[in-house]
Amino acid sequence: QVQLQESGPGLVKPSQTLSLTCTVSRGSVSSGAYYWSWIRQHPGKGLEWIGYIHYSGSTLYNPSLKSRLTISIDTSENQFSLKLNSVTAADTAIYYCARELMVRGSGDCFDYWGQGTLVTVSS
Amino acid sequence: DIQMTQSPSSLSASVGDRVTVTCRASQSVSNYLNWYQQKPGKAPKFLIYAASRLQSGVPSRFSGSGSGTDFTLTISSLQPEDFATYYCQQSYSIPHTFGQGTNLEVK
Repeated sequence: QVQLQESGPGLVKPSQTLSLTCTVSRGSVSSGAYYWSWIRQHPGKGLEWIGYIHYSGSTLYNPSLKSRLTISIDTSENQFSLKLNSVTAADTAIYYCARELMVRGSGDCFDYWGQGTLVTVSS
Repeated sequence: DIQMTQSPSSLSASVGDRVTVTCRASQSVSNYLNWYQQKPGKAPKFLIYAASRLQSGVPSRFSGSGSGTDFTLTISSLQPEDFATYYCQQSYSIPHTFGQGTNLEVK
């Protein structure tokens, strides 16, 4: 079954850019049936969808983060990435990458998740 | 954004109990409703999609129902491994949104 693994710095300074990469194994980001998503969870809180990318390069972002967000994909490395700029303490969270499966007539669902990585924004 | 509200926020139950978690959407999401289970320190696990369809490998004691704005997740006979936090999530509109979670604890 497909596996996803997040990587990137665990500590980012305020006003700087948070950068994370998700490496996909036992599956291909080039499959047209899926979107590749980022989701975050503030400590002890619920889940927030950040955005997704399709292998075609099309993206969709949460409007609350859109002005600061870039999601990209590298099909040759079977990875996709997140960049969130101008971060503040409010961006401290566990960041998950996930595969978003499109189910015809029933919407999308996140069927596989990475283990998550904690990113702390602090000077 | 569509707001998803779960009730209760926490629930105490015993092994063997039948438990129900409710999720209400602020507007209709048709059947575009999914359920996830999360244990401490772990990523969420996908359980149910399209309101009532069980993901492959999920035990049959889990079931989901509902459409429009009101949905339920039922565990017919609680097992020790079921104590966790459960989240509903709508994919009817962007941004996808999650409920705040229901923490299922041992009584």
